[in-house]
Amino acid sequence: EAQVTQNPRYLITVTGKKLTVTCSQNMNHEYMSWYRQDPGLGLRQIYYSMNVEVTDKGDVPEGYKVSRKEKRNFPLILESPSPNQTSLYFCASSTPGLLYNEQFFGPGTRLTVL
Amino acid sequence: EDKVVQSPLSLVVHEGDTVTLNCSYEVTNFRSLLWYKQEKKAPTFLFMLTSSGIEKKSGRLSSILDKKELFSILNITATQTGDSAIYLCAVEKGAQKLVFGQGTRLTINP
Repeated sequence: EAQVTQNPRYLITVTGKKLTVTCSQNMNHEYMSWYRQDPGLGLRQIYYSMNVEVTDKGDVPEGYKVSRKEKRNFPLILESPSPNQTSLYFCASSTPGLLYNEQFFGPGTRLTVL
Repeated sequence: EDKVVQSPLSLVVHEGDTVTLNCSYEVTNFRSLLWYKQEKKAPTFLFMLTSSGIEKKSGRLSSILDKKELFSILNITATQTGDSAIYLCAVEKGAQKLVFGQGTRLTINP
């Protein structure tokens, strides 16, 4: 089944404790992105990647890191999480096309930083 | 600063009604406008619009883009309770750089 998976789905942690949220897709997509979703603010793009070893900042990259060493994986790293990073996080993937550019979203990771 | 604004933010209607959701944008390097439906989980893709005046349809849902006035509408006719969701509008500026609106929370009462 074509899908984007994220782990963990739920995480409660404390300020300053490094964490990684994994994202993996099995559709051989070139493009992958990370978003956070907060009430009243919609989805905001954190980082995106257009292919292996190619990443770029989205609108809210501060406090986050990413890497794209393999095509299928795009982990999100919080080196020193803070309470303002409490949010719902989505990973998404897609493949470029002239007429069709659907993003497939993962199930989401709900992160709470105390 | 790039902006995507959706209205209304919340809408409650009765089953069978027709609804129109709005999305206006001010974005540099516009490539496409996308609509998503989000229920209690991840957003799912509805439409991608790139050209003005060409209506996209899928069952009871339709959408159109006006690149001169910088807005799009999403219409849902004969609404059903299963249409209750948050509807998200996003503008793609450059490859894979998406700016989302706040979303419209639609509630359909039986």
